[in-house]
Amino acid sequence: EDKVVQSPLSLVVHEGDTVTLNCSYEVTNFRSLLWYKQEKKAPTFLFMLTSSGIEKKSGRLSSILDKKELFSILNITATQTGDSAIYLCAGTNSGGSNYKLTFGKGTLLTVNP
Amino acid sequence: DTEVTQTPKHLVMGMTNKKSLKCEQHMGHRAMYWYKQKAKKPPELMFVYSYEKLSINESVPSRFSPECPNSSLLNLHLHALQPEDSALYLCASSLTDNYGYTFGSGTRLTVV
Repeated sequence: EDKVVQSPLSLVVHEGDTVTLNCSYEVTNFRSLLWYKQEKKAPTFLFMLTSSGIEKKSGRLSSILDKKELFSILNITATQTGDSAIYLCAGTNSGGSNYKLTFGKGTLLTVNP
Repeated sequence: DTEVTQTPKHLVMGMTNKKSLKCEQHMGHRAMYWYKQKAKKPPELMFVYSYEKLSINESVPSRFSPECPNSSLLNLHLHALQPEDSALYLCASSLTDNYGYTFGSGTRLTVV
């Protein structure tokens, strides 16, 4: 059975801190690793990673995938209170009609002023 | 149009009611999904439609009945639900093979 494990499950930091969120995965026929940010409603897409070692960046957020060690990290620099959310990592598989996302349990990030 | 639109945003229904959740996308995505998310938990996959055919049913009770009338629409028909079915129901769509995976804003369902 496919499995995605995120750590830590929760994290409290102060504004301006840098945080690193971890995601390890065991996904059969792995295709990509997705990161989402979820506040009160639906998850919003952050990154899709398919290749090892290539960092993706969007403002203060960046992410990288290691397909040999089967993990990904999400970095957030100079955190702001608006970064407070649950960050979800999901692995996807490839092939045929099976487009299933396997989610981790998420990391609850709280950024205090 | 890069959105997945879900209606209604909120729904309160009794255990004997029949209601439907609707999901629409116009991005040309050929895979559409229903997820259920309880508070403080990740989304759980319920159904996957690929090219308008049901390809995955994750052992969901028959009181949930999906329907895909065409490539842009996905419905979830609800009948005789239980209070424990109260949750956020998320629709998503993607290009074939996972690319462009996009979630709708969800329907917050309360069963009383």
